[in-house]
Order: sequence, then structure tokens, then C-alpha cells
Amino acid sequence: DAGVIQSPRHEVTEMGQEVTLRCKPISGHDYLFWYRQTMMRGLELLIYFNNNVPIDDSGMPEDRFSAKMPNASFSTLKIQPSEPRDSAVYFCASSLRPTPGNTIYFGEGSWLTVV
Amino acid sequence: AQKITQTQPGMFVQEKEAVTLDCTYDTSDQSYGLFWYKQPSSGEMIFLIYQGSYDEQNATEGRYSLNFQKARKSANLVISASQLGDSAMYFCAMRDGNSGNTPLVFGKGTRLSVIA
Repeated sequence: DAGVIQSPRHEVTEMGQEVTLRCKPISGHDYLFWYRQTMMRGLELLIYFNNNVPIDDSGMPEDRFSAKMPNASFSTLKIQPSEPRDSAVYFCASSLRPTPGNTIYFGEGSWLTVV
Repeated sequence: AQKITQTQPGMFVQEKEAVTLDCTYDTSDQSYGLFWYKQPSSGEMIFLIYQGSYDEQNATEGRYSLNFQKARKSANLVISASQLGDSAMYFCAMRDGNSGNTPLVFGKGTRLSVIA
């Protein structure tokens, strides 16, 4: 079975540019999570969806960040305009309904560098 | 609020030896799950092992076992017979079950280096 698929794997962009990260969750998983990983802050939850509806976006750093899930098999995380401090690894993850035992499976991450 | 603490920023272990990575957690919920993930240098997050708060036995998955001490709120990962390929970051995480919709909360991680 295919795991969580993210694209692009690596992106280098100039400050001020728009960045769009994409995610395809595991088929049948109705929860989707976006995490960000930095050296300073570790793994932080940005936002998560249930059945395509955003449930908690309190981790989204500021209005420059937005996330959508137009259907069960696709989500985007957009940064506009990007800044150097946005440089991080962005992980998408998915799971079945969140009983404690349902594992969250991660994609391989999108490595973003803003110069 | 949930909190995960991993007190060991880095650990070294000799190849073929066992190593224990510490994790303590804080929650007021009775139902929760504890997870360990491995992140090699390539960056992906790999699920290793899960322990439920109501599980009476410690979880085991191959060379991985979880030393679960509920009263002490600790969930240490034990890796037996370490291999060079075990060198990676290891993250402890928790998900509680009482609130319904909860994602994983992660600790800061422990970097394990296996020495030949």
C-alpha cells in the first residue's frame, strides 16, 4: 500500500515567493495532519483535518500560512509570502480516527529552504 | 495539556549492546497512547512501537521494546542488539483518547549513535 505522499521533497525559494506543499494521505484515513520540524522548536503541529474539515489550526504561525483539503485524497499547505524563518521540514501525516492506538503515518517530508 | 520529556539529547551505544532511551509524559487523561518514532538522517519519520495506557504488558516489536511504568509516567524505549543502522533521532510521542480529536504531541528527541 502506498504511504503518505508529499511533494516536493525539496524546495529552495526566494524570500517573498509563494510556496505550495502538497500531500496525499493514505487511502481511507480520515485525519490529516501538517507538522513542521525545526532544530529550535522540534516537531510542531500546524493544523489538522477530519473528513476534509479543519479541526484545529491554532498551530499555524501567522496569516501567511494557509492549508486546504479540497477532497479526501489531497491537501495543500501554502506560505505566501515566504520568509527565511519558514525554512524547515514540513511533514504531512494521516491516520484513522484518533483512538489512542491508531498510529499516525508520516510522509517523507518537504524540505523547504527560503533564501 | 500533554507534555513529553526526553532528557537525553544524545546517546552513544556500542554495536550489539542494548540501549534505553528515556521518555516521561504528563497527562491527566486515563486513556492515552504512547508511540516511538525513528528519524534517520534521510529525514522520514518511521513508526516503531505503540503502548496503550490500558495495556498490561509491555509492547515489543522485534528488537524494540517499551518499558512502560504507568505510575512513574515513563515509557522508555529499549533497543536490543544495537546495529549501525539504528543511528538516528528517536522521538517519543503521546496521543490521548479522552478528548476525541487529538494529534500526536512529540518530545524533543534523542540522537542515538551506534559505534562499531
